[in-house]
Amino acid sequence: DIVMTQSPDSLAVSLGERATINCKSSQSVLYSSNNKNYLAWYQQKPGQPPKLLISWASTRESGVPDRFSGSGSGTDFTLTISSLQAEDVAVYYCQQYYNSLPLTFGGGTKVEIK
Amino acid sequence: EVQLVESGGGLVQPGGSLRLSCAASGFTFSTYWMSWVRQAPGKGLEWLGKIKEDGSEKYYPDSVKGRFTISRDNAKNSLFLQMNSLRDEDTAVYYCARPSGYCGAGYGSCFPFDSWGQGTLVTVSS
Repeated sequence: DIVMTQSPDSLAVSLGERATINCKSSQSVLYSSNNKNYLAWYQQKPGQPPKLLISWASTRESGVPDRFSGSGSGTDFTLTISSLQAEDVAVYYCQQYYNSLPLTFGGGTKVEIK
Repeated sequence: EVQLVESGGGLVQPGGSLRLSCAASGFTFSTYWMSWVRQAPGKGLEWLGKIKEDGSEKYYPDSVKGRFTISRDNAKNSLFLQMNSLRDEDTAVYYCARPSGYCGAGYGSCFPFDSWGQGTLVTVSS
């Protein structure tokens, strides 16, 4: 199984400041055949299901504000919120879908306002 | 608009069984692999398995293999999760989820989940 490790577990950031979340996979999720990283980021607000923010490590989904960005390749990935807004308070999860058996998620990072 | 609506959750005793349903609409259900994902209270996300478009292939993680069974009825645009021998640690919100594209077996053959239901709560307790 590919183990996904997120850090930190939680972080508190002032409004308008940058938030950075890290995700590390135990094996590379870069598929050499198409040079794509099979890594997604989800946002989950209380009482809601996860929402897909970013796929292929850096491709924002339609409607996702451009303050959200994803980067990284291979085994190390980062989700950055460039200017934290109040509505960004949530738990963020990374997920690898390179090896679909099983699909695995990181443990989550809780983002709060300082 | 894609909609996934889970139902069937509730309180069940340890050792009991429960069958969850997921009603799909707004897309051609029969052309998508579908998955179940759960989330224990205050915990992270755990993938529970997936089923091929026509139901001919099913895959499960070791954690639920032999206890959970996924099925589907494409004529009724419905996905099911049969859960047997339930344990306290199966207490969770259960989501059905649809990938944004194909999601078969193996490496490099899947897409992320772009559609989720609201979830149904299963509580296993005596």
